[in-house]
This record gives sequence, C-alpha cells and structure tokens, in this order.
Amino acid sequence: QLQLQESGPGLVKPSETLSLTCNVAGGAINSNSLYWGWIRQPPGKGLEWIGSISTSGGSFYNPSLKSRVIMSVDTANNQLSLKVNSMTAADTAVYYCARRSGWHNYFDYWGQGMLVTVSS
Amino acid sequence: DIQMTQSPSTLSASVGDRVTITCRASQSISTWLAWYQQKPGKAPKLLIFQASSLESGVPSRFSGSGSGTEFTLTISSLQPDDFATYYCQQYNTYANFGQGTKLEIK
Repeated sequence: QLQLQESGPGLVKPSETLSLTCNVAGGAINSNSLYWGWIRQPPGKGLEWIGSISTSGGSFYNPSLKSRVIMSVDTANNQLSLKVNSMTAADTAVYYCARRSGWHNYFDYWGQGMLVTVSS
Repeated sequence: DIQMTQSPSTLSASVGDRVTITCRASQSISTWLAWYQQKPGKAPKLLIFQASSLESGVPSRFSGSGSGTEFTLTISSLQPDDFATYYCQQYNTYANFGQGTKLEIK
C-alpha cells in the first residue's frame, strides 16, 4: 500500500522560504506513476493545486504561484520536495503531497498533510 | 484560468436520501473532472475521475455524470459515513478545485 508522509517546519517567518519533504513508502517513486503533486488548503478553506512534477524532473506549476515555487524529486531516497519562497500569512495552510494518477492531473493517493503557519 | 463553481455550498440531508451536487466549469473541460470526499482533519479521497468513472473501492452508491461545463455527483442513498465535504476538480488545464460542498446531517 502506497503511503506518503510530509515533513518540515510547522512554523515559518514572513519573507522566509518554506521547505517541505514528502517521503514515499510502499513503492518506488518512479514506478507506474510518472507524476506527483502538491496541493494546499488554508484553514477552513478549499483546495489549491500548487504544482506537479515528473520523476524525470519535468514540472508545471499553478500560474498564480509559479514565480515562488520549486519542486524536485529524489528518486534515490524516494522523496519529493517543495520550496516556496517569500512566504506570507496568506500561505498558511495544510500542505499535501499526492500521487497523480497516470497521465492525468488528478490525485489518487494523498499524504496526511502538514500544517504550515506563517508568523513572526 | 478555469473557474469551478459548486452548488450548493451546504446541503442538509438525512440517511437514505438521494443527493446531488453540481459543479460548473467556466469553460468546456470535456470530461476531465474528478470528485473528492474530505472529512475533517483528513486528506481528500478520490471518488470519481473522468466525470463518471468510479475509483476502485468506492461504493457504487456514488456516481458522476456530465460533460463540457456542467457536472453532477450523486449519492443514491446516503449512509452515515457520507457526511463530509465534497470537491470537484478540473484537470483539462492544470488543475482547479471547486470551493466545496458541505454535506450535513439534517
């Protein structure tokens, strides 16, 4: 059974860069599924897709976040990473990593999510 | 940017009811639409993809329909476990989610 687990700091200061890692267990990160994604959810609000990345490194991002986001894949350690720079209070959210289902940009396996709060 | 609008925002219903949630896209997305269920404090769970295809393991009381700009999620007979928030998501261009529909116990 595929399992995804996000990790990183739960508190980030305004203007700093968020760095999150997603550990994938129960399957090789580069088997079957070609793409993985990150989605976030501000407290009490809806879901926002951040971006998706392939195991070969190709990526595409939400145009509204593109200038601040970098995603990467570490196939040796079965991990994904997300960096978001210039964090503000509006970036406070639960951040999820997820497996994209094959060739289409919807998500069939999700991590449990990690709350990141932006505050000084 | 494709906008997704769900209605209603909140729906009150009873166990055994048949309920329908609507999702409208601001432009045609063919059938590139997924539905998710989310319970408090949990990650979303995929229910339906390509507008009407049931994800493996999802009960058959869930069904989806539609194409173009208008889509529906129907639960044929509500069970206690179904009270949750439901989101649609288009994946025709990048990905955008609807604002969610909270299904409450009447």
